[in-house]
Amino acid sequence: GAVVSQHPSRVICKSGTSVKIECRSLDFQATTMFWYRQFPKQSLMLMATSNEGSKATYEQGVEKDKFLINHASLTLSTLTVTSAHPEDSSFYICSARDWGQGGETQYFGPGTRLLVL
Amino acid sequence: GQQLNQSPQSMFIQEGEDVSMNCTSSSIFNTWLWYKQDPGEGPVLLIALYKAGELTSNGRLTAQFGITRKDSFLNISASIPSDVGIYFCAGGANSKLTFGKGITLSVRP
Repeated sequence: GAVVSQHPSRVICKSGTSVKIECRSLDFQATTMFWYRQFPKQSLMLMATSNEGSKATYEQGVEKDKFLINHASLTLSTLTVTSAHPEDSSFYICSARDWGQGGETQYFGPGTRLLVL
Repeated sequence: GQQLNQSPQSMFIQEGEDVSMNCTSSSIFNTWLWYKQDPGEGPVLLIALYKAGELTSNGRLTAQFGITRKDSFLNISASIPSDVGIYFCAGGANSKLTFGKGITLSVRP
């Protein structure tokens, strides 16, 4: 159980275009999902918290108009990188919050590799 | 902000050996989670800890939630080649996770 998928797994786009990444919880409902960014050989940095039915909460320094998040259902959150530039190239990973026997945890998707040319 | 310390950055062990990894923080966390990440993949949850002092095992893995709530360790016993990867600790507070920088584990056959 607790499987999270992401689509696409990798995407190459031209500078100035927009890219949408989907995150789905396959076997559980997630009212809260999270979007992370990871640069090579570095840790995961939280970008934003996606809440079903309400606005996302962005971490300091993350532009909400640049990284649009929509959490339209209990199993789907989308991240749209608008007007992408080469510096947006990174590994984007989503997670979905679930509740276990002892408390809450996060299950991660397989990640999306974005390359902006 | 909250920071987690994981060191060393890399560890090299012989197949069959045990290895221990620590994670420390200056802040208190309500949850400690350990993840393993393979190159080009998302992190996979190994063990979740929810109570101070809790000791939990998952196969050859054992992890403990420190009494002070500021640290946790992960032990891997009888290592095998597929244990290679990056191990991240994550502290949970206010429904958010803070990640350590990760330890890259190499296992020599």
